[in-house]
Amino acid sequence: QVHLVQSGAEVKKPGASVKISCETSGYTFTGHHIHWVRQAPGQGPEWMGWINPSIGVTSYAETFQGRVTMTWDTSKSTTYMALNSLTSDDSAVYYCARQNYFETSGYFDFWGQGTLVTVSS
Amino acid sequence: DIHLTQSPSSLSASVGDSVTISCRTSENVYRYLNWYQQRPGKAPKIVIYDTSKLQSGVPSRFSGGGSGTDHTLTIRGVQPEDFATYFCQQVYSSWSFGQGTRLE
Repeated sequence: QVHLVQSGAEVKKPGASVKISCETSGYTFTGHHIHWVRQAPGQGPEWMGWINPSIGVTSYAETFQGRVTMTWDTSKSTTYMALNSLTSDDSAVYYCARQNYFETSGYFDFWGQGTLVTVSS
Repeated sequence: DIHLTQSPSSLSASVGDSVTISCRTSENVYRYLNWYQQRPGKAPKIVIYDTSKLQSGVPSRFSGGGSGTDHTLTIRGVQPEDFATYFCQQVYSSWSFGQGTRLE
């Protein structure tokens, strides 16, 4: 069974950084891209970027370029998302999600449980 | 960036009704459109991918259609467990989501 388990809730001060982990199991870790998505209260999800653990390539949404870093540890089947220079606008639930593939398309078939990040002074 | 506009933003229905949710994209996304269901406090769950493909385990009362810039999600015979928020997602050019339609 596929599982994505994220690290726990975080409270950060403005200007600080946060790093969230996403431990996967139940499938070949290097066989699927992992995406990060965040969702502010009452809002639609916002895509942040993806990492391909097979070759270590990342792609970030323009909104987060320069502020986000996605890394991975194959030995732990875990990906990480770090976001720096936090402001109150970054308060949201952050999700990791596994990409599945259909022909030239894709979709997110398994998600982590979410990590609440609160940025407050 | 491709912008997605869902309508309506909320929708009232009763058990047994048929409902349709619309997703309009600012550019042609061809068939590269997915639909997710999200219950309060939970992660989104894939319902439809590639415009009309039903994800394994999802009831057949869900269906998707459309092309180009206009796509729809239809639920025929709404069940109590279907009351949730639905999001569309385009995967043609990068990845982005609509703002959601709350079925209540």
